[in-house]
Amino acid sequence: GNSVTQMEGPVTLSEEAFLTINCTYTATGYPSLFWYVQYPGEGLQLLLKATKADDKGSNKGFEATYRKETTSFHLEKGSVQVSDSAVYFCALSDTTSGTYKYIFGTGTRLKVLA
Amino acid sequence: EPEVTQTPSHQVTQMGQEVILRCVPISNHLYFYWYRQILGQKVEFLVSFYNNEISEKSEIFDDQFSVERPDGSNFTLKIRSTKLEDSAMYFCASSGDSYSYEQYFGPGTRLTVT
Repeated sequence: GNSVTQMEGPVTLSEEAFLTINCTYTATGYPSLFWYVQYPGEGLQLLLKATKADDKGSNKGFEATYRKETTSFHLEKGSVQVSDSAVYFCALSDTTSGTYKYIFGTGTRLKVLA
Repeated sequence: EPEVTQTPSHQVTQMGQEVILRCVPISNHLYFYWYRQILGQKVEFLVSFYNNEISEKSEIFDDQFSVERPDGSNFTLKIRSTKLEDSAMYFCASSGDSYSYEQYFGPGTRLTVT
């Protein structure tokens, strides 16, 4: 079945460091891909999305490119801030399910130190 | 900007009690979902709902769970007899006039079963 695999956390970086959080997926069909961010004690916020191969999603300095050849959707940011500390979830829409339910990865906790 | 709302934000209940979690989806959306996130774990699909019936449910969604759209605005998740392992964050989501559209998530209800 469809699945999402994320790199294990936590990831600890200094402020202004470069961030990469790896996400790979297994899917039949052509899913849309998403990154969600969850701040402590809060809900899920859509960070960015891509709906087809080679699309690049971007928001708030974060970017991810839908790579069909490597089945990846890695999240990157050139210079992280303390305020980026959160848990990041990669997800796909399961187009084989009929209801396009979302399948989430396990989440990667990011901690940015001042 | 329209948003999905959920009430209550936090519910504490005793084991064996019934709880109803409420969601108000975005007004012109037709597809509705419930997901849950046990503390520190990934977000998991529970059920999808369209045209006043369940369109897909996961193995988690057993006979203790039910969903309903009692009027034109609310979408509810009922747990008949709560167990300790039902303690989790429950997210409602809605999608527009096609399953393939993006899902919009509510802020979640934290359910604590004691």
